[in-house]
Amino acid sequence: SSELTQDPAVSVALGQTVRITCQGDSLRSYYASWYQQKPGQAPVLVIYGKNNRPSGIPDRFSGSSSGNTASLTITGAQAEDEADYYCNSRDSSGNRVFGTGTKVTVL
Amino acid sequence: QVQLQESGPGLVKPSGTLSLTCAVSGGSISSSNWWSWVRQPPGKGLEWIGEIYHSGSTNYNPSLKSRVTISVDKSKNQFSLKLSSVTAADTAVYYCARVKGIQLWNNWFDPWGQGTLVTVSS
Repeated sequence: SSELTQDPAVSVALGQTVRITCQGDSLRSYYASWYQQKPGQAPVLVIYGKNNRPSGIPDRFSGSSSGNTASLTITGAQAEDEADYYCNSRDSSGNRVFGTGTKVTVL
Repeated sequence: QVQLQESGPGLVKPSGTLSLTCAVSGGSISSSNWWSWVRQPPGKGLEWIGEIYHSGSTNYNPSLKSRVTISVDKSKNQFSLKLSSVTAADTAVYYCARVKGIQLWNNWFDPWGQGTLVTVSS
C-alpha cells in the first residue's frame, strides 16, 4: 500500500485553477516529484524539487509543499491537461514510492 | 538527449521468470544516475520495482525484493529486470526510467521509456 495519498479524482473548469495534493509523513523530509500520464502513454515529469519545471512544461504548472503535503497546481487549466497525475517521493523507510494517483477532468 | 527503450517477451507463463532489458541511448549508463524499473497493472497506479547504479548497487521495493533482480551491462549500455515466480498479478506495463538528482531527498524520474506490456498467462 502506498504511503502517499492523493484524491482519486478532481475536476476543473476550462481556464480555472486546480490543486492536486499528495499527503504523507515522509514529505516532511523529502521533496515530491510530479508526473502527468495520458491514456496509453508513459508518464511525463512536470515538476521536481522545490518548484522546478523541465524544459517544455508550461508555466501554468507549479509545485509547492507545506508540512506533510505536497501540491501540484495548474493555473488556467487547458483541455490537454486532462490526465492522471502521480506524485513520487520516498516512504518512511527511504524506499521510493508513488502516490495513489489523481484523475483530472477538465470541464 | 537520453532515450530509453524496453524490450522483452510480451507473454510469460505463470511460475516463470519475466525478463526485460532497457537500452539507454544518447548518454552513458555510467553517468551519475540511478536507473529504475516501474510497473503499472492495467487500470491501476504506478509501482516502483527497484533501481541500479552503474557500480552494480541496487535497491528494491520490499514487497518484491524476494523475486526481483536488476543488473547492468555497461558494455551494452543497458540494464535488465528479472522477476521470478510470476503470477497473473504481475501482468502490467513495465517502464524503465532514469533517476535524476544527486541529493537523497530530491530525486525524480526523467526520461521514461515508452513501456512494454507483459502478460502472465498460460
